[in-house]
Amino acid sequence: AQRVTQPEKLLSVFKGAPVELKCNYSYSGSPELFWYVQYSRQRLQLLLRHISRESIKGFTADLNKGETSFHLKKPFAQEEDSAMYYCALSGSGNEKLTFGTGTRLTIIP
Amino acid sequence: DAGITQSPRHKVTETGTPVTLRCHQTENHRYMYWYRQDPGHGLRLIHYSYGVKDTDKGEVSDGYSVSRSKTEDFLLTLESATSSQTSVYFCAISESGRLGTEAFFGQGTRLTVV
Repeated sequence: AQRVTQPEKLLSVFKGAPVELKCNYSYSGSPELFWYVQYSRQRLQLLLRHISRESIKGFTADLNKGETSFHLKKPFAQEEDSAMYYCALSGSGNEKLTFGTGTRLTIIP
Repeated sequence: DAGITQSPRHKVTETGTPVTLRCHQTENHRYMYWYRQDPGHGLRLIHYSYGVKDTDKGEVSDGYSVSRSKTEDFLLTLESATSSQTSVYFCAISESGRLGTEAFFGQGTRLTVV
């Protein structure tokens, strides 16, 4: 079974402060991890995926297999970062895409 | 935006009535998914399809059925709607099972069962 845990339902951060959204997973094989974001009145969209090792909109996430984590980080929060963030997992060779419960990030001006 | 549309966008129905939601794509992607989004539960997979007439259950499939008779359409049916099925339903598509493949989402259908 595959499972994704996002322990924080709500997170408020001041503009300019660092942001970290936590994600832990459970999967017996090699996982593929993603972060999806849903801005107000917009579709859910991919923010980044661990396999690409990319930085999108200043966000990064590192897969830590020892701690089974894939935390999302940004050094300096911006107001436009306010959104709902979902961590997601798919197993290699497994088409199921499993999501966590989501974290609503609010950036305080 | 990827070519994926959901219909209807909003629906109110009575308990016990059948309801069908439609997801239509123009991307010719192989995989299609139905999720429901509820506060405190995030996105939960109902059913998914990996090809025409090939479907499988997700984690919350009870009370739902799906059909995919052609690549572009994936239908979700609530045989007898219940109040617990009041939710926002999202369809998603992805090209393949390749590692790191991105999923594209529809705009959602808000279903209220009264």
